[in-house]
Amino acid sequence: AQSVTQLDSQVPVFEEAPVELRCNYSSSVSVYLFWYVQYPNQGLQLLLKYLSGSTLVKGINGFEAEFNKSQTSFHLRKPSVHISDTAEYFCAVSPQGGYQKVTFGTGTKLQVIP
Amino acid sequence: EAQVTQNPRYLITVTGKKLTVTCSQNMNHEYMSWYRQDPGLGLRQIYYSMNVEVTDKGDVPEGYKVSRKEKRNFPLILESPSPNQTSLYFCASMSVTDTQYFGPGTRLTVL
Repeated sequence: AQSVTQLDSQVPVFEEAPVELRCNYSSSVSVYLFWYVQYPNQGLQLLLKYLSGSTLVKGINGFEAEFNKSQTSFHLRKPSVHISDTAEYFCAVSPQGGYQKVTFGTGTKLQVIP
Repeated sequence: EAQVTQNPRYLITVTGKKLTVTCSQNMNHEYMSWYRQDPGLGLRQIYYSMNVEVTDKGDVPEGYKVSRKEKRNFPLILESPSPNQTSLYFCASMSVTDTQYFGPGTRLTVL
C-alpha cells in the first residue's frame, strides 16, 4: 500500500517570494514521484517527475523538487513565484517498475499575492 | 497534437440512469486510467488499464465499470449512478517512457 500526504491545504505567498510545497509519502516498495499542477477549470499538467538518478529534479516553469529517501519526502520549490503560479498542486506516487496504481495527495492551493 | 479527449464535458443526470463517459487518446499509449476529483480528497484512481483487454481496480472502483476493447478508447460506465458519484472525472493515458497526459475533465452531477 502507498499513500501521499500534503500537509498544507493552502499556501499564500507574496509575488517574487520563494515557496516550498511539502509532500511526504509512504510505500513498502521503491517508488516514482510526481508533481502536477492544475490551473482553475483545467486538467492536470505534469510539472516534474522523479524516476531514478539525481535526487534534484528540475521541471517546467522554474519549479524543482528534491527526493529525500530517508525522510520519504519530495518537496516542491520555486525561488520566486509569479501571479501565474496561482493554482493547485498535487503530489503523486506510483510503484517503481509499473505505473499501475497511482496515488495522489489531497492537493495544495498556492495563492500568489500581488 | 497529442491529446486525451473526454465526452461529455458536462452531464447532469438522475439516479439510476445508466451513462457512459468516453475517453480517447491519439498517442498509442498502452496505459490508461480514470480518476475522480472531489474537494479536499484530491484525485482518486477508479480503474486503470495496462493494455487492450487488461484492466484492474484502482482505489475507488465501486459503482463503476470500464472496458478496453481498443487501444485508443477507455470508456467509463456508470450502470446505476447515485448522488455520491457526483464528481469531476479525469481520464489519463501514458506509455512507460512518457509522461501522463490528462483529459480536460467531465463534470458529472447525479440528482
